[in-house]
Amino acid sequence: QVQLVQSGAEVKKPGASVKVSCKASGYTFTSHHMHWVRQAPGQGFEWIGILNPNDGSRRYAQNFQGRVTVTRDTSTNTVYMELSSLRSEDTAVYYCARVGGLTFDYWGQGTLVTVSS
Amino acid sequence: DIQMTQSPSTLSASVGDRVTITCRASQSIGYWLAWYQQKPGKAPMLLIYETSTLQSGVPSRFSGSRSGTEFTLTISSLQPDDFATYYCQHYDDYPWTFGQGTKVEI
Repeated sequence: QVQLVQSGAEVKKPGASVKVSCKASGYTFTSHHMHWVRQAPGQGFEWIGILNPNDGSRRYAQNFQGRVTVTRDTSTNTVYMELSSLRSEDTAVYYCARVGGLTFDYWGQGTLVTVSS
Repeated sequence: DIQMTQSPSTLSASVGDRVTITCRASQSIGYWLAWYQQKPGKAPMLLIYETSTLQSGVPSRFSGSRSGTEFTLTISSLQPDDFATYYCQHYDDYPWTFGQGTKVEI
Protein backbone atom coordinates (compact mmCIF):
# COMPACT_ATOMS: atom_id res chain seq x y z
CA GLN A 1 0.00 0.00 0.00
CA VAL A 2 1.11 3.56 -0.64
CA GLN A 3 2.77 5.20 2.35
CA LEU A 4 4.41 8.57 2.81
CA VAL A 5 6.29 8.71 6.12
CA GLN A 6 7.64 12.06 7.22
CA SER A 7 10.36 12.94 9.69
CA GLY A 8 9.58 14.04 13.22
CA ALA A 9 8.70 17.38 14.75
CA GLU A 10 11.30 20.14 14.80
CA VAL A 11 11.86 23.21 16.96
CA LYS A 12 13.99 25.91 15.39
CA LYS A 13 15.11 29.42 16.26
CA PRO A 14 14.35 32.36 13.99
CA GLY A 15 16.85 32.59 11.17
CA ALA A 16 17.66 28.87 11.20
CA SER A 17 16.86 26.28 8.54
CA VAL A 18 14.83 23.09 8.70
CA LYS A 19 14.89 20.03 6.47
CA VAL A 20 11.87 17.72 6.44
CA SER A 21 11.95 14.31 4.78
CA CYS A 22 9.19 12.25 3.19
CA LYS A 23 9.91 8.58 2.50
CA ALA A 24 7.67 6.96 -0.08
CA SER A 25 6.84 3.29 -0.40
CA GLY A 26 4.29 1.03 -2.05
CA TYR A 27 4.53 2.51 -5.55
CA THR A 28 7.00 3.48 -8.26
CA PHE A 29 8.64 6.57 -6.78
CA THR A 30 9.54 8.20 -10.08
CA SER A 31 6.04 7.90 -11.52
CA HIS A 32 4.30 10.44 -9.33
CA HIS A 33 4.96 14.10 -8.66
CA MET A 34 5.35 15.11 -5.02
CA HIS A 35 4.19 18.38 -3.53
CA TRP A 36 4.76 20.15 -0.25
CA VAL A 37 1.93 21.97 1.48
CA ARG A 38 1.76 23.58 4.90
CA GLN A 39 -0.97 24.35 7.39
CA ALA A 40 -0.44 26.96 10.08
CA PRO A 41 -2.14 26.25 13.44
CA GLY A 42 -5.89 26.51 13.05
CA GLN A 43 -5.51 27.77 9.49
CA GLY A 44 -5.95 26.60 5.93
CA PHE A 45 -3.43 25.18 3.51
CA GLU A 46 -0.64 26.90 1.61
CA TRP A 47 1.03 25.32 -1.39
CA ILE A 48 4.85 25.39 -1.23
CA GLY A 49 6.08 23.60 -4.33
CA ILE A 50 6.32 20.54 -6.52
CA LEU A 51 9.05 18.07 -7.41
CA ASN A 52 9.14 15.63 -10.30
CA PRO A 53 11.06 12.67 -8.82
CA ASN A 54 11.82 11.36 -12.30
CA ASP A 55 14.07 14.20 -13.38
CA GLY A 56 14.35 16.32 -10.24
CA SER A 57 12.66 19.34 -11.81
CA ARG A 58 10.76 21.59 -9.40
CA ARG A 59 8.64 24.63 -9.11
CA TYR A 60 8.03 26.81 -6.06
CA ALA A 61 5.33 29.17 -4.92
CA GLN A 62 6.27 32.81 -5.24
CA ASN A 63 5.99 33.28 -1.46
CA PHE A 64 8.78 30.78 -0.87
CA GLN A 65 11.13 31.56 -3.77
CA GLY A 66 14.68 31.90 -2.54
CA ARG A 67 13.95 30.25 0.83
CA VAL A 68 12.84 26.75 -0.11
CA THR A 69 14.63 23.86 -1.77
CA VAL A 70 13.00 20.55 -2.61
CA THR A 71 15.22 17.61 -3.50
CA ARG A 72 14.98 13.86 -3.84
CA ASP A 73 17.05 10.73 -3.36
CA THR A 74 15.93 8.04 -5.75
CA SER A 75 18.06 5.42 -3.99
CA THR A 76 15.92 5.73 -0.87
CA ASN A 77 12.66 6.98 -2.43
CA THR A 78 12.80 10.07 -0.25
CA VAL A 79 11.86 13.67 -0.95
CA TYR A 80 13.23 16.53 1.14
CA MET A 81 11.99 20.06 1.75
CA GLU A 82 14.41 22.56 3.22
CA LEU A 83 13.19 25.97 4.36
CA SER A 84 15.69 28.61 5.41
CA SER A 85 15.62 31.98 7.21
CA LEU A 86 12.81 30.72 9.40
CA ARG A 87 10.49 33.18 11.10
CA SER A 88 7.67 32.72 13.56
CA GLU A 89 5.12 32.77 10.74
CA ASP A 90 6.65 29.57 9.38
CA THR A 91 5.34 27.65 12.37
CA ALA A 92 3.07 25.08 10.76
CA VAL A 93 2.50 21.44 9.96
CA TYR A 94 4.30 20.59 6.74
CA TYR A 95 2.89 17.86 4.53
CA CYS A 96 4.20 16.00 1.53
CA ALA A 97 1.45 14.92 -0.83
CA ARG A 98 1.60 12.62 -3.83
CA VAL A 99 -0.19 13.40 -7.06
CA GLY A 100 -2.21 10.50 -8.40
CA GLY A 101 -4.30 11.22 -11.44
CA LEU A 102 -4.17 15.00 -11.31
CA THR A 103 -4.33 15.97 -7.65
CA PHE A 104 -3.29 14.83 -4.18
CA ASP A 105 -4.30 11.24 -3.51
CA TYR A 106 -1.95 10.37 -0.64
CA TRP A 107 -0.54 12.59 2.09
CA GLY A 108 2.21 12.16 4.62
CA GLN A 109 1.28 12.30 8.29
CA GLY A 110 2.62 15.83 8.62
CA THR A 111 5.64 17.32 10.40
CA LEU A 112 5.18 20.11 12.93
CA VAL A 113 7.84 22.79 12.61
CA THR A 114 7.86 25.28 15.46
CA VAL A 115 9.89 28.47 15.12
CA SER A 116 10.49 30.12 18.45
CA SER A 117 13.25 32.01 20.18
CA ASP B 1 -3.22 33.53 -8.09
CA ILE B 2 -6.66 31.96 -8.19
CA GLN B 3 -8.62 32.63 -5.00
CA MET B 4 -10.97 29.99 -3.64
CA THR B 5 -13.77 31.37 -1.48
CA GLN B 6 -15.46 28.71 0.59
CA SER B 7 -18.68 29.04 2.58
CA PRO B 8 -19.89 28.73 5.19
CA SER B 9 -16.89 28.67 7.51
CA THR B 10 -18.87 26.72 10.11
CA LEU B 11 -21.95 24.61 9.69
CA SER B 12 -24.02 23.13 12.50
CA ALA B 13 -25.96 20.04 11.53
CA SER B 14 -27.46 16.83 12.85
CA VAL B 15 -27.08 13.22 11.83
CA GLY B 16 -29.27 12.56 8.81
CA ASP B 17 -29.18 16.17 7.56
CA ARG B 18 -28.42 17.07 3.96
CA VAL B 19 -25.40 19.36 3.97
CA THR B 20 -24.11 21.65 1.22
CA ILE B 21 -20.75 23.43 1.11
CA THR B 22 -19.88 25.94 -1.60
CA CYS B 23 -16.58 26.98 -3.12
CA ARG B 24 -16.23 29.81 -5.62
CA ALA B 25 -13.16 30.28 -7.79
CA SER B 26 -11.99 33.80 -8.70
CA GLN B 27 -11.64 32.73 -12.34
CA SER B 28 -12.42 29.76 -14.53
CA ILE B 29 -10.76 26.52 -13.41
CA GLY B 30 -12.73 24.15 -15.61
CA TYR B 31 -13.48 20.96 -13.71
CA TRP B 32 -10.14 20.95 -11.87
CA LEU B 33 -11.44 21.01 -8.35
CA ALA B 34 -11.05 18.55 -5.48
CA TRP B 35 -12.64 18.21 -2.06
CA TYR B 36 -10.87 16.92 1.05
CA GLN B 37 -11.98 15.95 4.52
CA GLN B 38 -9.71 16.62 7.46
CA LYS B 39 -10.12 15.46 11.03
CA PRO B 40 -8.20 17.00 13.95
CA GLY B 41 -4.53 16.03 14.01
CA LYS B 42 -4.78 14.13 10.73
CA ALA B 43 -3.78 14.71 7.13
CA PRO B 44 -6.52 15.55 4.65
CA MET B 45 -8.26 12.74 2.81
CA LEU B 46 -9.32 13.07 -0.83
CA LEU B 47 -13.07 12.74 -1.28
CA ILE B 48 -13.80 14.04 -4.76
CA TYR B 49 -11.67 15.08 -7.74
CA GLU B 50 -12.42 16.58 -11.12
CA THR B 51 -15.46 18.29 -9.56
CA SER B 52 -17.64 15.20 -9.19
CA THR B 53 -15.61 11.97 -9.34
CA LEU B 54 -15.68 10.04 -6.09
CA GLN B 55 -12.34 8.77 -4.86
CA SER B 56 -12.22 5.00 -4.39
CA GLY B 57 -13.67 3.95 -1.05
CA VAL B 58 -15.55 7.20 -0.40
CA PRO B 59 -19.23 6.66 0.48
CA SER B 60 -21.79 7.54 -2.16
CA ARG B 61 -23.52 10.02 0.16
CA PHE B 62 -20.78 12.46 -0.92
CA SER B 63 -21.25 14.19 -4.26
CA GLY B 64 -19.86 17.20 -6.10
CA SER B 65 -21.18 19.53 -8.76
CA ARG B 66 -20.32 22.70 -10.63
CA SER B 67 -22.08 25.74 -12.02
CA GLY B 68 -19.60 28.01 -13.76
CA THR B 69 -17.00 28.93 -11.17
CA GLU B 70 -19.14 27.80 -8.24
CA PHE B 71 -18.60 24.31 -6.91
CA THR B 72 -20.65 22.39 -4.39
CA LEU B 73 -19.98 19.48 -2.08
CA THR B 74 -23.12 17.74 -0.86
CA ILE B 75 -23.45 15.15 1.86
CA SER B 76 -26.87 13.60 1.34
CA SER B 77 -27.34 12.20 4.83
CA LEU B 78 -24.79 13.27 7.42
CA GLN B 79 -23.26 10.45 9.42
CA PRO B 80 -21.38 10.65 12.75
CA ASP B 81 -18.08 10.01 10.97
CA ASP B 82 -18.65 13.06 8.73
CA PHE B 83 -18.15 15.67 11.43
CA ALA B 84 -14.89 17.20 10.23
CA THR B 85 -13.48 20.13 8.28
CA TYR B 86 -13.83 20.18 4.50
CA TYR B 87 -11.58 21.98 2.04
CA CYS B 88 -11.83 22.64 -1.66
CA GLN B 89 -8.68 22.93 -3.77
CA HIS B 90 -8.14 23.82 -7.41
CA TYR B 91 -5.44 22.30 -9.59
CA ASP B 92 -5.95 24.28 -12.78
CA ASP B 93 -2.61 26.04 -12.67
CA TYR B 94 0.16 26.81 -10.20
CA PRO B 95 -0.01 27.86 -7.46
CA TRP B 96 -2.65 25.37 -6.39
CA THR B 97 -4.80 27.04 -3.76
CA PHE B 98 -7.31 25.92 -1.16
CA GLY B 99 -10.49 27.28 0.28
CA GLN B 100 -10.39 28.35 3.92
CA GLY B 101 -12.37 25.32 5.06
CA THR B 102 -15.82 24.51 6.40
CA LYS B 103 -16.10 22.95 9.82
CA VAL B 104 -19.13 20.69 10.09
CA GLU B 105 -20.10 20.37 13.71
CA ILE B 106 -22.95 18.96 15.70
